[in-house]
Amino acid sequence: DAKTTQPNSMESNEEEPVHLPCNHSTISGTDYIHWYRQLPSQGPEYVIHGLTSNVNNRMASLAIAEDRKSSTLILHRATLRDAAVYYCILDYGGSQGNLIFGKGTKLSVKP
Amino acid sequence: GAGVSQSPSNKVTEKGKDVELRCDPISGHTALYWYRQRLGQGLEFLIYFQGNSAPDKSGLPSDRFSAERTGESVSTLTIQRTQQEDSAVYLCASSSGQGGWNEKLFFGSGTQLSVL
Repeated sequence: DAKTTQPNSMESNEEEPVHLPCNHSTISGTDYIHWYRQLPSQGPEYVIHGLTSNVNNRMASLAIAEDRKSSTLILHRATLRDAAVYYCILDYGGSQGNLIFGKGTKLSVKP
Repeated sequence: GAGVSQSPSNKVTEKGKDVELRCDPISGHTALYWYRQRLGQGLEFLIYFQGNSAPDKSGLPSDRFSAERTGESVSTLTIQRTQQEDSAVYLCASSSGQGGWNEKLFFGSGTQLSVL
């Protein structure tokens, strides 16, 4: 199964942009790149996903490298409520199944 | 309800007892997943159900763990003869099961299992 590598933790100041990196050098052509986040004491929630092109939604932006071996989740203005663990995962062909979450990146946001 | 519902939210049991954890997926979702999350760790895949297909049980850690799903609705995760290392949050998720671009997981809030 394709794996992802993320930093264990990152810090940001409130109202500043945050760039969360993810490496997935063994990604296959049909793997979707998904990001989820887990707030304290809650189950993970979907943030954004993409395949080849950059994607934007109301929560975040996803920048995908041209070779697709890495991606970056961008929070344009971090708030205290964005403090969470962010998971980057690969989903083969969008068909789900055994999705490997890893440990993610714990984002701390300072006021 | 609108989301994935799990019960109980907390379960304390004694070592050696059996426990059952329940998951009600979003109505119409054919895919259902169970994950385990130990304190401070990431999510560990346990089992995956998709419609009437045979479930993917590749993540179950031992034969003390089993899960069932009734049609495309409720699922029950059973842990027999619980051990202290089973203490964790057990998370359930569902998705439409149609695959492709629009496929995404919706998680419940989990069941916190504590084995004394």
